[in-house]
Amino acid sequence: GDSVTQMEGPVTLSEEAFLTINCTYTATGYPSLFWYVQYPGEGLQLLLKATKADDKGSNKGFEATYRKETTSFHLEKGSVQVSDSAVYFCAFNSGYSTLTFGKGTMLLVSP
Amino acid sequence: NAGVTQTPKFQVLKTGQSMTLQCAQDMNHEYMSWYRQDPGMGLRLIHYSVGAGITDQGEVPNGYNVSRSTTEDFPLRLLSAAPSQTSVYFCATRKGWGQPLPDTQYFGPGTRLTVL
Repeated sequence: GDSVTQMEGPVTLSEEAFLTINCTYTATGYPSLFWYVQYPGEGLQLLLKATKADDKGSNKGFEATYRKETTSFHLEKGSVQVSDSAVYFCAFNSGYSTLTFGKGTMLLVSP
Repeated sequence: NAGVTQTPKFQVLKTGQSMTLQCAQDMNHEYMSWYRQDPGMGLRLIHYSVGAGITDQGEVPNGYNVSRSTTEDFPLRLLSAAPSQTSVYFCATRKGWGQPLPDTQYFGPGTRLTVL
């Protein structure tokens, strides 16, 4: 069935380090792909999205490229900040009205 | 605009009690949904609605009821609370449905429920 696999956390980095969070998906058809971010004590916010193969979504220095051939949507940032500490969820729209989420990856950035 | 609001923020129940989690939106979005978030499980869809009077089950609907009498409100009812329903509950909305477009979902701040 439809599913999302994310790397397990927590991912612990020092400020200004390079970030990669891996995400692969199993889905029928050609879904749109999303990264959501959840800051402590808050709901989820859309971080970026991509709608078709080779599209690159970007926001706040984060990027992810829709790779159809590897069914992946890895999240990257060149230089993380302490304020990026949060839980990151990869997701895709499975069917017209629903999202399938990964289990989330916690990112901890230290000064 | 307030966006998506949820009440209460926190709730403690005893096993067997019933309660309703409230969700309201002022964005005139057709689609509303309820998720539960559990450690190591991500978010799982409980129920969703594509418009007033229309609801459907998600991945984990057992023990929960929903109704959608207005566009704005989508309450989630726990009929007889169980410890397995201890979780954080999120309401989410999106503008469109019935089409594979990347409409953004907007999430409420969540309700943290503990069932003793």
